[in-house]
Amino acid sequence: GENVEQHPSTLSVQEGDSAVIKCTYSDSASNYFPWYKQELGKRPQLIIDIRSNVGEKKDQRIAVTLNKTAKHFSLHITETQPEDSAVYFCAATRGAGGTSYGKLTFGQGTILTVHP
Amino acid sequence: DTGVSQNPRHKITKRGQNVTFRCDPISEHNRLYWYRQTLGQGPEFLTYFQNEAQLEKSRLLSDRFSAERPKGSFSTLEIQRTEQGDSAMYLCASSLGSPIMNTEAFFGQGTRLTVV
Repeated sequence: GENVEQHPSTLSVQEGDSAVIKCTYSDSASNYFPWYKQELGKRPQLIIDIRSNVGEKKDQRIAVTLNKTAKHFSLHITETQPEDSAVYFCAATRGAGGTSYGKLTFGQGTILTVHP
Repeated sequence: DTGVSQNPRHKITKRGQNVTFRCDPISEHNRLYWYRQTLGQGPEFLTYFQNEAQLEKSRLLSDRFSAERPKGSFSTLEIQRTEQGDSAMYLCASSLGSPIMNTEAFFGQGTRLTVV
């Protein structure tokens, strides 16, 4: 089965700095890679995702890059703000053959703290 | 209905008791997933339904766990003879899947189970 490793486990930055979180996956058939943000006591919420036919995707201050050859993908947050503080999870899954994008293998999570 | 709803939000039970959780997915979503999340870890996949059919179960799902989705709408997850190791957040997610379209997974806020 799929295995997803996420680093670092904690990340502390100053407001306005950039933050980068990296994940590697093991199943070369995985083709969908979402990132979820989870605030304390709240549900995981999708912040950005990327499919395997794309190398990079950007949404305002958030971007994700994917290297299929190396089987790793990264989340980049620029101009960080205190409200970005949360736990971030990467995930991977196969999206073809009847399996939907909901059966996800998650990384261990990164606790991001943005200091004002 | 604007999201995935889970009840109860919190459950405290004595070891050996049975517990049942309910998940109401987004109404048009045909796929429903159960995950378990322990403190400091990412969610772990437990089981998956497409409409009323349970299509996949993780090895994490012991014989004490059973899930149903009788009419292809809401789902229940029952744990029999609870153990302290069952203490965790149980998350439900739903998505829309078809041969031509797959949506992201939307998560509920979870049911936090504490076994004492």
